[in-house]
Amino acid sequence: EVQLVESGGGLVQPGGSLRLSCAASGFAFSNHWMHWVRQGPGKGLVWVSRIKDDGTYATYADSVKGRFTISRDNAESTLYLQMNGLRAEDTAVYYCAREEISLADWGQGTLVTVAS
Amino acid sequence: QSALTQPRSVSGSPGQSVTLSCTGTSSDVGGYNYVSWYQQHPGKAPKLIIYNVNQRPSGVPDRFSGSKSGNTASLTISGLQAEDEADYYCCSYAGNYLDVFGTGTKVTVL
Repeated sequence: EVQLVESGGGLVQPGGSLRLSCAASGFAFSNHWMHWVRQGPGKGLVWVSRIKDDGTYATYADSVKGRFTISRDNAESTLYLQMNGLRAEDTAVYYCAREEISLADWGQGTLVTVAS
Repeated sequence: QSALTQPRSVSGSPGQSVTLSCTGTSSDVGGYNYVSWYQQHPGKAPKLIIYNVNQRPSGVPDRFSGSKSGNTASLTISGLQAEDEADYYCCSYAGNYLDVFGTGTKVTVL
């Protein structure tokens, strides 16, 4: 059974940093592209970033480019999202998702709140 | 990377059919056959229900169907059931390994 478990969310001040993790199990992690998607409180889904299966290529939404960095450790089957320069509008539940014919599996999300 | 446009809400009675639209541009919906749809119940993670415009993952009822015409994709739910009440989001590949979601539609079963 595919499992994706996000962690690392919490309260952070504007301008601060946070690193999210997504522990994967139940599938061959190193064979799949992975994504981060976020959802602000009461708002819709927003695609954030994707990373190639071997970690050599990544893309970002314009809203986070230059501030967020996606990475992965295939030996540990873990996906990361380093978030710097956080803003109030980054407040959201952050989901990691496995790509297989679209976003086939999702974690339960971790809440990031940016406030002073 | 502008969000795809979806109607805010759609409603129907049990047994009826409803169709949700998802309008983008020739750079996303119209340019690729990589439109997917996700169902999200309150407090839950999204669930993939349609991929590649009109393909259903195993386990998804055939009441759910997808299509596309030009820059607009559609999701039809036939034989609406109470458990179909949820938020629905479309998503399209937008080139250069970028994706974009729709604004979301709340489906209410009357």
